[in-house]
Amino acid sequence: ELKVEQNPLFLSMQEGKNYTIYCNYSTTSDRLYWYRQDPGKSLESLFVLLSNGAVKQEGRLMASLDTKARLSTLHITAAVHDLSATYFCAVDPSFGNEKLTFGTGTRLTIIP
Amino acid sequence: GAVVSQHPSWVICKSGTSVKIECRSLDFQATTMFWYRQFPKQSLMLMATSNEGSKATYEQGVEKDKFLINHASLTLSTLTVTSAHPEDSSFYICSATRYRGGKNIQYFGAGTRLSVL
Repeated sequence: ELKVEQNPLFLSMQEGKNYTIYCNYSTTSDRLYWYRQDPGKSLESLFVLLSNGAVKQEGRLMASLDTKARLSTLHITAAVHDLSATYFCAVDPSFGNEKLTFGTGTRLTIIP
Repeated sequence: GAVVSQHPSWVICKSGTSVKIECRSLDFQATTMFWYRQFPKQSLMLMATSNEGSKATYEQGVEKDKFLINHASLTLSTLTVTSAHPEDSSFYICSATRYRGGKNIQYFGAGTRLSVL
């Protein structure tokens, strides 16, 4: 059974600080996704990582993938309040069939 | 960008009644749609894969007679929660897959919050 675990589960950090969220998964996969979810809303796609060593950046967020370690990271740089949300990673072990297994989620709160 | 519309966004119903949720891909054809369930402050759990013109594939532990899925066309899938009970109260999210740029991309609906009294 595929397990996808995120660490930490909850994170409260001050504006302007940096932090990294980790996503570990238990089986081979060639693609990993990061999503953002605001309270009561659906998912917003942030990144799709398709190969070992992939790194993608958008604004203050940067995601990377190490398929050998089965680890993805989401790095937050100089956090701002607008980044407060829950972040999920998701793994597609079905090689393109899009049956996603989601991580446990990281609830991020940015405080002034 | 691709848009997936989910309706209704919030429904409150009495125990024992059935509720239908619609998921539409507005500007593309989706051969595959997915239905997820999310309990408060938890992650999304895949319930079933819906393919146009064929029976849905349910994940282990999901009752197919309880959660009826119909994928009548390339732009519409419906989830019917039959004889709903309070434990069925949850946030239901659909997604539709679009093939673009050599890969499948999944687009999510806004979700439906179901409250069963």
